[in-house]
Parts: sequence; structure tokens; C-alpha cells
Amino acid sequence: DAGVIQSPRHEVTEMGQEVTLRCKPISGHNSLFWYRQTMMRGLELLIYFNNNVPIDDSGMPEDRFSAKMPNASFSTLKIQPSEPRDSAVYFCATRDRGRLNTEAFFGQGTRLTVV
Amino acid sequence: QQQVKQSPQSLIVQKGGISIINCAYENTAFDYFPWYQQFPGKGPALLIAIRPDVSEKKEGRFTISFNKSAKQFSLHIMDSQPGDSATYFCAASKGGGADGLTFGKGTHLIIQP
Repeated sequence: DAGVIQSPRHEVTEMGQEVTLRCKPISGHNSLFWYRQTMMRGLELLIYFNNNVPIDDSGMPEDRFSAKMPNASFSTLKIQPSEPRDSAVYFCATRDRGRLNTEAFFGQGTRLTVV
Repeated sequence: QQQVKQSPQSLIVQKGGISIINCAYENTAFDYFPWYQQFPGKGPALLIAIRPDVSEKKEGRFTISFNKSAKQFSLHIMDSQPGDSATYFCAASKGGGADGLTFGKGTHLIIQP
């Protein structure tokens, strides 16, 4: 398996623009997590899905952030409108929910810069 | 409120020495404690993990020590090598990892040759 695939790897956008980050989970993994990493706040959980259903979105910072998982093979994280403080590395991670105490596999991340 | 506190922020160790990173947690509902390793430009990758019913777990040069009563756990890297230079994150989760991970702030480890 190619692992968790995120796209794009880098994104530079202007303040006010819409940004969409994409994630393809490992085949067979039924839990998907979106994390954000910054120097100040470290790694933070934004939202996670089980079997394509959003379970906990309490980490989503504002209404400008939204996430969807239309099927088991694809998820998106959208920021609209984007602001400079959204600049961060965004990671998608997936795991097999049916197995306890097993690792979450992370993608390579999307480095977002909002200017 | 920071639920997982990690120290030190940075650590320099000589090659062959022991690297020790400490973490403390607050939520007694946590039942899964992994350590992740991250290299620049890469996503975090699982290094080793432990459950609270075990006081120690060893995998090669990496050992987790767990103190449930003190709500503390630590990572020991024996015979540290330059290739171990990376950022290390402790984390905690409920439901055996099912509910997502709460991470410490990370430790930037440098192993000097």
C-alpha cells in the first residue's frame, strides 16, 4: 500500500481565498483524522471520522473550517476564507478502528502558507 | 489546558549515550500512550506504544517506562545514534487510540557524532 496520500504537498494562497486539502486513506482503514501542526501549538486534532461519519469536530478552530468524507477513499479539509494565521502543516492520519491499540498512520502533510 | 506535558523541548546527547524524554498526562481516561518520531518534511511515525497495565515496554534500543500512579511516562533511547536525531512526540488517547491522539509539544533531539 502507498500509505496515506495527501495533496497538494505545498499550497500558497492569498488571504481570503478558498483552500481545499485532500486525503486518500490506506485501503481498509475506517477511521480518519485531520491534524494541524504549528510551532506555537504543536500537533492538534481538528476532526475525525469513523466509517465516513464525522464523530468529533470540537478541534475545528472556526466555522471557516469544514471537512467531509464522501466515501471511504477520500476526505477533504476546506478553509474558506483563508487567513494568514491558518498557515501550518496539515496532516491526515488513518487507522483500522476494529483493532485496539494500533497505530495511526500519518500522511506526509500539506504545508499551507496564506499570504 | 494542556493535557499532555512533554519535556525537555530540546535535547543534545552524545553518540552512544542515553536519551530520555518525559511526559505527564492529566486525563485518567487515557488508555493508550504512543511515542511518535518525526523527521523534517515528513509525517509523524509510530515508534513504540504502551498501555497503562504495563510498567515497561522495550523494542530494540527504545524503552517506554510508565508510572500510572504518577501519571507519567518516559522514552529512553539507549546507545543513541546520529540517525535518531529527530523530533519526538509523546501522545495519549482514549479507547485504545480510537478517539484521536492528544500530543505533547515535542522534543527536538540531536545526537552529536
